[in-house]
Amino acid sequence: QSALTQPASVSGSPGQSITISCTGTSSDIGDYHLVSWYQRHPGKAPKLVIYEGTKRPSGVSDRFSGSKSGTTASLTISGLQAEDEAHYFCCSYAGTVNFVLFGGGTKLTVL
Amino acid sequence: QVNLRESGPALVKPSQTLTLTCTFSGFSLTTTGMSMIWIRQPPGKALEWLARIDWDDDKFYSTSLKTRLTISKDTSKNQVVLTMTNMDPVDTATYYCARISNVLTGNYWFDPWGQGILVTVSS
Repeated sequence: QSALTQPASVSGSPGQSITISCTGTSSDIGDYHLVSWYQRHPGKAPKLVIYEGTKRPSGVSDRFSGSKSGTTASLTISGLQAEDEAHYFCCSYAGTVNFVLFGGGTKLTVL
Repeated sequence: QVNLRESGPALVKPSQTLTLTCTFSGFSLTTTGMSMIWIRQPPGKALEWLARIDWDDDKFYSTSLKTRLTISKDTSKNQVVLTMTNMDPVDTATYYCARISNVLTGNYWFDPWGQGILVTVSS
């Protein structure tokens, strides 16, 4: 199966909001409420920021939120801060055979 | 505090076998529902999952790579090992291990991850 589709890059100014999309199919995002989002700073371990599409792990800022419509999931970061500059990638459960699919990743630049 | 760290060679030659070890702390892979997964990301490409091992020693492999992969665990050492045979330059990637906290309840997200290890396949 193909990877999920994300924009290669997005940017925003401090204080603004940005949204990163993640497009899949009816066999993954469209069929399960199991999208997760990860933040990765250079040289650091990826960090879970959203799970089950909309839930935030303990310790993750409430500026991070997730949503889903049909076969597209989205990550919104509000009140952008310099520390949010990182790569973000999505992941969706895709059934017992394919298990999970990942997006290609999106580089967020805080201007 | 839960931590994971990948270790292994940074460079392997084509046709060789890669062996990676994930050493973890702060939890036990004997806990019912616990699982560990290996994931990789080739430069400029999307991540892909490779193999998963559950607390009960159930093992799962990516369909496209299953003939080349073996995953195992040593619960006494808190380690999970991945071997990949017949390495090729296209296998050049950053390899990560990550934890799944409860596969029994469908917690199909990964938290935490290791920092990753870049493996280059070249002669």
